[in-house]
Amino acid sequence: DTGVSQDPRHKITKRGQNVTFRCDPISEHNRLYWYRQTLGQGPEFLTYFQNEAQLEKSRLLSDRFSAERPKGSFSTLEIQRTEQGDSAMYLCASSLFGGAGETQYFGPGTRLLVL
Amino acid sequence: AQKVTQAQTEISVVEKEDVTLDCVYETRDTTYYLFWYKQPPSGELVFLIRRNSFDEQNEISGRYSWNFQKSTSSFNFTITASQVVDSAVYFCALSEAVQGGSEKLVFGKGTKLTVNP
Repeated sequence: DTGVSQDPRHKITKRGQNVTFRCDPISEHNRLYWYRQTLGQGPEFLTYFQNEAQLEKSRLLSDRFSAERPKGSFSTLEIQRTEQGDSAMYLCASSLFGGAGETQYFGPGTRLLVL
Repeated sequence: AQKVTQAQTEISVVEKEDVTLDCVYETRDTTYYLFWYKQPPSGELVFLIRRNSFDEQNEISGRYSWNFQKSTSSFNFTITASQVVDSAVYFCALSEAVQGGSEKLVFGKGTKLTVNP
């Protein structure tokens, strides 16, 4: 039984570069969420998918950010033209919507440092 | 708008002490879920409990217990006989309940618990 996995676990990049993160949810889960966590803060919602449909995007998700879940399984989060303010932990969570009660299970996160 | 307040930024206790982490929430939703997650130094958020707004019964799981009081909009978490392995950041979270499940989580800022030997 595998949990949510994220790749890479750590990423260091230079300002202005593009980065892409991947999330693989728990296999039977139909919802996938992305959150961002900065130092000393709780996670903040970015966006989520139900199957392949992106249902909501936060105002935090500027036009430099894009997320996809093309086949309703894994998801990618891309940040274009990274800025130092993008440095954070990016967390992915998955859940089973429509079951007996929905709980989001989180992956280990991708820690991004923009120099 | 939904909001979660964890007023205690850091708590330090000695092993075997009991400790209570406070959580106060605000919501206009009539049905909602409350959660607690643990984030150890490794960084992964670990699910601890989910509570429906209609269920105000307190819950106990081993050394952990939760006190949900709708009248004061609080969902406090108590660790009895704390252990060094309990050291982590603990987050309280809130989500709107909809048919079939819930929506995005709104987190508090977390309480860092240090249990000293």
